[in-house]
Amino acid sequence: EVQLVESGGGLVEPGRSLRLSCAASGFTFDVYAMHWVRQTPGKGLEWVSSISWDGGRIGYADSVNGRFTISRDNAGNSLSLEMNSLRTDDTAFYHCVKGNYDTPNMNWFDSWGQGTLVTVS
Amino acid sequence: EIVLTQSPATLSVSPGERATLSCRASQSISSNLVWYQQRPGQAPRLLIYDASRRATGVPARFSGSGSGTEFTLTISSLQSEDLAIYFCQQYINWPSFGPGTKVDIK
Repeated sequence: EVQLVESGGGLVEPGRSLRLSCAASGFTFDVYAMHWVRQTPGKGLEWVSSISWDGGRIGYADSVNGRFTISRDNAGNSLSLEMNSLRTDDTAFYHCVKGNYDTPNMNWFDSWGQGTLVTVS
Repeated sequence: EIVLTQSPATLSVSPGERATLSCRASQSISSNLVWYQQRPGQAPRLLIYDASRRATGVPARFSGSGSGTEFTLTISSLQSEDLAIYFCQQYINWPSFGPGTKVDIK
């Protein structure tokens, strides 16, 4: 069974930084692209960032490009998101998500973590 | 950026009746569309991929159709456990999501 468990969320002031982590299990981690998707009651689901199976290709939403950095550790089966210069509109649940493919784009998302709440205030 | 719109925003359906949900894309996405179900307090769950293929374990009462810019998710006979928000997502390139349709049980 695929399991994705996020950690690292919390309350942070605008302009500060936060690092999210995701522990993955139940599948061959280094075969699939991985993603971060955030969710708010007002704005629904928003794609944040994606990384290919080997970390060689990465994509970011315009809203976070230049502030957030995605990375992965295939030896440790983990995904990370470094978030800098946080803004109030970054407040959301951040889901770690497994893609169906090895490249970061052209994916659908077949397994989701429960999410970790980031509050910027 | 490809924008997805969903209608209606809320749908109230009696148990056993049919529910029809719509998703429209701002430009053609071929069949590169999925549907997710999000029950209260849970993470989204994949229902349909490639516009019309059911994901593993999804009941046969869920079906998807469409291509290009117009897509439909149909629940043929609504069950109480289908109370949820349903999102569409395109994956022709970087993904984007629709705003969701909330299905209430009448």
